[in-house]
Formats: sequence, C-alpha cells, structure tokens
Amino acid sequence: ILNVEQSPQSLHVQEGDSTNFTCSFPSSNFYALHWYRWETAKSPEALFVMTLNGDEKKKGRISATLNTKEGYSYLYIKGSQPEDSATYLCAFSGGNNDMRFGAGTRLTVKP
Amino acid sequence: NAGVMQNPRHLVRRRGQEARLRCSPMKGHSHVYWYRQLPEEGLKFMVYLQKENIIDESGMPKERFSAEFPKEGPSILRIQQVVRGDSAAYFCASSPGLSQPQHFGDGTRLSIL
Repeated sequence: ILNVEQSPQSLHVQEGDSTNFTCSFPSSNFYALHWYRWETAKSPEALFVMTLNGDEKKKGRISATLNTKEGYSYLYIKGSQPEDSATYLCAFSGGNNDMRFGAGTRLTVKP
Repeated sequence: NAGVMQNPRHLVRRRGQEARLRCSPMKGHSHVYWYRQLPEEGLKFMVYLQKENIIDESGMPKERFSAEFPKEGPSILRIQQVVRGDSAAYFCASSPGLSQPQHFGDGTRLSIL
C-alpha cells in the first residue's frame, strides 16, 4: 500500500450501536499514525497520535489500535451518539517527513 | 492561548491575480502544515515547514504555488496567476513536532471568479 486508505467510505448507524472503521497505510518507514475528527463546517480536531506497534489509545467512548507490521489501525466508537456524526480522518507520517491523509470515513448516527 | 489563526477566512480573486493566505501557528509550535480540500474531496497534504525551512513540499503543485515560514511572522501560502481550479478550502495546521497532534485553523475559502 502506497497511500492511506480508509474504509468504509461512509457509515450509517443507529444511536447506541457500536461501530469501527479501518485505516490502512504503508507498513514501511512508519513514524506515526494520527486520527482526526472533522465535523462539517469546522476544522479537523486531533483524537489520537500513535507511534508504537500495539499502541491502544482511548478517549471516552472512542478508542484506537495500531498494527505497524501489517499497516492498519482501527477506530472504535462504543454506543454511538448523534454528536459522533463526523468524518473521521487518519493520517500517516513517515520517516521521510511526509504526511498523508486518507479520504476519511463519514459517520452518520441516527437518533 | 490562541489556536491556529488563518486569514482571511474568505478570499475572492479573479483569474490571473495572486492569492496570499496567512497562517499563524499556535504559540510554541514550530511545525506548520498546509492542506487543500477541493470541492467534494478530502484533505490533501501540500507542504510541511519548520521555521525558515521547507521540509516536504511533495504535495504542492510545482508551478505557481509557494510557501514560506519566516523567522518572524506567519506562514504564507502564495498562489500566483490563480485559475478556477485553485478554488478550494486551504487549511493550515501546526504542531510542536511531527509525531505530535496537529491543531488546525478554520481554513481560508478561496474562490476564483
């Protein structure tokens, strides 16, 4: 994988459902993996930065895991709420100082 | 503690004019990043700068676009001889380091008539 790929592209869930999405990135020359939350008409907001293989981070109902050997990260949202509706972006930074964003997963949580 | 400040929020230019977008990073942040969001598309990396140095400009078009981050003052993204396809939202972000979370500004919406 040369680019950052996120799946699914969009997701619709009911309030209370738990959900997860994937970010795939180049497994070589890894430096850090970032997750951002981007609400419509606002600017992206940092959720997590992970640097070590096996890292797990948690912030309230949102958590993320990292596997640098196989080049993927999962973002989990437990008990989704309407206010979780946003686009979730992951970004890979490599040892060459490059920074690449995925296209994002657009989450809609229906009340 | 002010966040990342971008100005102007909206900028309208005619084809062939120059556009200058400014970004003041958060206090204590020496790393600045510029991104572009074209209509109906995601965020695309353009350039990464540290004070007075361009670290990575691999996402920036070779022609007409330039960026700087002087020792004093804001970072500037400059687009010369703008064309319709330059219409986009341009976001700036800053961080203390490459492995630190980036803080984003509210963006500059550039419209080309």
